Amino acid sequence: DGGITQSPKYLFRKEGQNVTLSCEQNLNHDAMYWYRQDPGQGLRLIYYSQIVNDFQKGDIAEGYSVSREKKESFPLTVTSAQKNPTAFYLCASSIDYIRGTQETQYFGPGTRLLVL
Amino acid sequence: SQQGEEDPQALSIQEGENATMNCSYKTSINNLQWYRQNSGRGLVHLILIRSNEREKHSGRLRVTLDTSKKSSSLLITASRAADTASYFCATAVEMNRDDKIIFGKGTRLHILP
Repeated sequence: DGGITQSPKYLFRKEGQNVTLSCEQNLNHDAMYWYRQDPGQGLRLIYYSQIVNDFQKGDIAEGYSVSREKKESFPLTVTSAQKNPTAFYLCASSIDYIRGTQETQYFGPGTRLLVL
Repeated sequence: SQQGEEDPQALSIQEGENATMNCSYKTSINNLQWYRQNSGRGLVHLILIRSNEREKHSGRLRVTLDTSKKSSSLLITASRAADTASYFCATAVEMNRDDKIIFGKGTRLHILP
């Protein structure tokens, strides 16, 4: 059963703590993305990766870090530098990164991050 | 308006009626996509329409694209309770060497029983 998974579903962060959100896909997609969604808002791009061992900053990368050591995995770390981390985080993947044409993105179920 | 802005922000209709949502954008696009998001879940791709297409159908969904007006509409016919969700349009914007997708803020659709 192919798809994209995220864990955990809910995550609690204490003040000054780094937390890591997991994203795994078995769709054999090259490109992966992390988005942040605030209540009643659209999606804002945090980081994206076109290929293994490569990633680029999106619109709101400050306070976040990523790695792409394996094709199927793209974890996101929310660092203590991110002062307002409470949000719904969505991971997505696509066959290839957009080059002149849009590619359908497949989304995971999301992780809701809350600050204690 | 910003790139990929949906209208209306919220819509409530009776079950069985048709629902129409609109998306306007500012810059030229190659394609436009519509996604659905149920509350607290990830987005699900509904339909993609290319810039050289004017209309596309998928089941009870009909999408139109007017590149001269820089707008698209999503029509859901014979609405059902299960159609209650937020609907987002996504447009690709050329940034340097690559395109990136920009999502609008969405239309919240509520189907009344």
